[in-house]
Amino acid sequence: DAGVIQSPRHEVTEMGQEVTLRCKPISGHDYLFWYRQTMMRGLELLIYFNNNVPIDDSGMPEDRFSAKMPNASFSTLKIQPSEPRDSAVYFCASSLGSLVNEKLFFGSGTQLSVL
Amino acid sequence: AQSVAQPEDQVNVAEGNPLTVKCTYSVSGNPYLFWYVQYPNRGLQFLLKYITGDNLVKGSYGFEAEFNKSQTSFHLKKPSALVSDSALYFCAVRRPGFQKLVFGTGTRLLVSP
Repeated sequence: DAGVIQSPRHEVTEMGQEVTLRCKPISGHDYLFWYRQTMMRGLELLIYFNNNVPIDDSGMPEDRFSAKMPNASFSTLKIQPSEPRDSAVYFCASSLGSLVNEKLFFGSGTQLSVL
Repeated sequence: AQSVAQPEDQVNVAEGNPLTVKCTYSVSGNPYLFWYVQYPNRGLQFLLKYITGDNLVKGSYGFEAEFNKSQTSFHLKKPSALVSDSALYFCAVRRPGFQKLVFGTGTRLLVSP
């Protein structure tokens, strides 16, 4: 298995532009998580899905952020409009269901820089 | 609500010496506890977990962690450090019945030759 695949690896954009981050979870995994990592705040959970349905989006900073999971093999995190304070590394992670299996598999992340 | 504290931003240790990376937690009920490691420009990788049972948990790469309920701690340990262990280590906690995993701020481990 190729693991969790995120694209792009790096994104540089200007303030006000729309940014779309993409994630392909491990095949067969039914949970998908979006995290954001910054020096100031560490690793924050933004939103997670179970069987393509958003379960908890309480970590999404504001309405500028949105996430979708149209099918089991693809998810997007969109920021519109982007701001410099959105600069961070965004990670996608997936796991195989149940409350007993605890292992999260992370992608390599997308380094976002908003100028 | 649950939370995790990693009191040390950085831990320095010489190769061959034992290492400890500290973690304390706060959660209602019995906690599910985890350690993850992050190498440069990579995502986090699972190291080990405590769900129930023996308080001493063994994981990948020779790491182990000890669950101490009275001190609400879950310190990561290794008897003999390697230079290749240098990385960022994250402790995490989850409440039973909930899927949300909350991470600490991370501790950078530097192992010198």
